[in-house]
Amino acid sequence: DTAVSQTPKYLVTQMGNDKSIKCEQNLGHDTMYWYKQDSKKFLKIMFSYNNKELIINETVPNRFSPKSPDKAHLNLHINSLELGDSAVYFCASSQDKSQVGNQPQHFGDGTRLSIL
Amino acid sequence: SQQGEEDPQALSIQEGENATMNCSYKTSINNLQWYRQNSGRGLVHLILIRSNEREKHSGRLRVTLDTSKKSSSLLITASRAADTASYFCATAIIQGAQKLVFGQGTRLTINP
Repeated sequence: DTAVSQTPKYLVTQMGNDKSIKCEQNLGHDTMYWYKQDSKKFLKIMFSYNNKELIINETVPNRFSPKSPDKAHLNLHINSLELGDSAVYFCASSQDKSQVGNQPQHFGDGTRLSIL
Repeated sequence: SQQGEEDPQALSIQEGENATMNCSYKTSINNLQWYRQNSGRGLVHLILIRSNEREKHSGRLRVTLDTSKKSSSLLITASRAADTASYFCATAIIQGAQKLVFGQGTRLTINP
């Protein structure tokens, strides 16, 4: 069984469109994350939710809006897509929000977003 | 600037050789983690070393931590083609909520 699953795996769309990425984890974890990995492999956190509550919101344009309907799901909606949004977006989860450095994070396989 | 930086950025060796990757960080840490990323896949947690540990082993992996130099190394012994991947170190920083900060990784290629 896949622990952290993201859909879709590939997303190709035009500038200005709105798109969503879905993420689900079946590990029973309380905390979920969205990361963005650029073309140079630099991985940067965007958001973190703990049991449906937003706890980290990095300096991300407000065109990006995460939503967590329950602690097993964390979706990412992106409005008015721009060329610079092209990247790989990873969802991850960990046991809980305390002692983040003490806990391994479990990653999905990423969503490759390409803006034309 | 980034908390963790890996060195070298790319490493190519022959199968069977040992591979060593280094990570330097800036602020004090409680723990340091290493992850592997295969091409087209997500990151996979390899090993966590605590600040009071100097060395840790897991199979063919050996991780060292030198808190005085703010550096860590990952050694893969007897490398295999399947070890070809990018390797990242990650440390936790606390700015309000805790978060993991990753370096840019070392791209390791094992040649048959």
